[in-house]
Amino acid sequence: QVQLQESGPGLVKPSQTLALTCAVSGGSITSGTSYWTWVRQPAGKGLEWIGRIYVSGTTNYNPSLKSRVTISVDTSKNQISLKLTSVTAADTAVYYCARDRRGNGHTSGYYYMDVWGKGTTVTVS
Amino acid sequence: DIQMTQSPSSLSASVGDRVTITCRASQTISNYLNWYQQKPGKAPILLIYAASSLQTGVPSRFSGSGSGTDFTLTISSLRPEDFAIYFCQQSYITPPTFGQGTKLEIK
Repeated sequence: QVQLQESGPGLVKPSQTLALTCAVSGGSITSGTSYWTWVRQPAGKGLEWIGRIYVSGTTNYNPSLKSRVTISVDTSKNQISLKLTSVTAADTAVYYCARDRRGNGHTSGYYYMDVWGKGTTVTVS
Repeated sequence: DIQMTQSPSSLSASVGDRVTITCRASQTISNYLNWYQQKPGKAPILLIYAASSLQTGVPSRFSGSGSGTDFTLTISSLRPEDFAIYFCQQSYITPPTFGQGTKLEIK
C-alpha cells in the first residue's frame, strides 16, 4: 500500500527557509484522484492544514501562510516538497504529509486524508 | 475559515463504556466531515469520512453521524487501545480546518 516518508532538516534558524520533502512509495503520485497535502502540529496542540498540490501542479494554500509557502511535485522522483520562508519560532512543529483522497461511488465528491507519513519534527531556533 | 469546535475537550471513561464526542461547525458543511484518531507520537489515523462512512480496517465500534453543523463520533464499547485524541475536520471549504481535539482518557 501507499506509504509516505517526510525528510528534511530538524533545525532551522529564524528568518531562513524550511524545506521538506515527502517521498511516496507503494504507488505512483500520478495515479488516482488525490491531492498531496502538508499538515503541521505544534507540540501539544492541534492540527493546521498548510496546503496541498494535485499532480497537475494545481495548488491550494492556507491563507494564513500563503505568502510564505510553496508546495511542488516531482513526478520523476515520486515526491512532493514544502518550502516555508522567513520562519519564526511559531513555525516549530511536527510536519506531516498526507494523501487527501477523493472518495468513490456515493462519496466521490468527498476528500479525506487516508494515508499519513510518520511526521518530521522541525525546530526553529 | 470555518471554525470547528469539539466537546468535550477531554473525557474520562472506562473500558466497555459507550462514548460520544461532538463536533460543531461555524457554518453548514453538509456532511463533509472526517474524524481522526491520534496517539502520542504518532500520525493521525482516519476513522470516519463523509460524516458516517467507516474507513476500511476501522473497527465497527466506531460510528459517525450528523449533517449541517452538528456531528458526533460514537465508540460503542471502549477498548484499551481507543484511549487517544480525536479530531474532526471539515472538507467542505478550503482551507480544511480541524477541531481542537478531544482527549479520551482512562478513568
